[in-house]
Amino acid sequence: AQTVTQSQPEMSVQEAETVTLSCTYDTSESDYYLFWYKQPPSRQMILVIRQEAYKQQNATENRFSVNFQKAAKSFSLKISDSQLGDAAMYFCAYRRWGNKLVFGAGTILRVKS
Amino acid sequence: EAGVTQFPSHSVIEKGQTVTLRCDPISGHDNLYWYRRVMGKEIKFLLHFVKESKQDESGMPNNRFLAERTGGTYSTLKVQPAELEDSGVYFCASSLRDTRPYEQYFGPGTRLTVT
Repeated sequence: AQTVTQSQPEMSVQEAETVTLSCTYDTSESDYYLFWYKQPPSRQMILVIRQEAYKQQNATENRFSVNFQKAAKSFSLKISDSQLGDAAMYFCAYRRWGNKLVFGAGTILRVKS
Repeated sequence: EAGVTQFPSHSVIEKGQTVTLRCDPISGHDNLYWYRRVMGKEIKFLLHFVKESKQDESGMPNNRFLAERTGGTYSTLKVQPAELEDSGVYFCASSLRDTRPYEQYFGPGTRLTVT
């Protein structure tokens, strides 16, 4: 069964600094999607970035980028120039067959001013 | 374009009572999903509708949970009778179709507290 592991329950970063959130997953599939979702306090979850497994190039969305290591089954999220608005719960997710998402337990990111 | 909406935002009920959660997907989205997160653990899949049909209900915990999507528009998730372990946040998500890039849009969730 596919599993997603986020080993960091909580992380802190100083405003304007860079932080990396870790995610590992387990799968026997070769073609799949990985996602990072962000849920700010009391607000809905939004997609931050996606990665297609068949693409070797790491996805980038403005200040957000991923380090996708397919062989190691690792999918970390790097947030550059952290802003107060980045404070949220971050979920790593794997899309398995049937379009259901398998989520990690989440990482709370705190941004210090 | 309106996003995914869920009602109520918070519900507190006693054990044994019935609660019905509602989800309105983004207009035109055929795919609708229910997930839940209990006690700060992982968000787990409950079921998937394609239009009004249940595509996958493998995540439904037991027969106390009943999901419907009449007419292929909004969906309801009924818990009857509610148990303490049903407390958590219930998320609804929708997607336009089951094709790449497979993005699901989430609602704000309904926080269910069973006392």
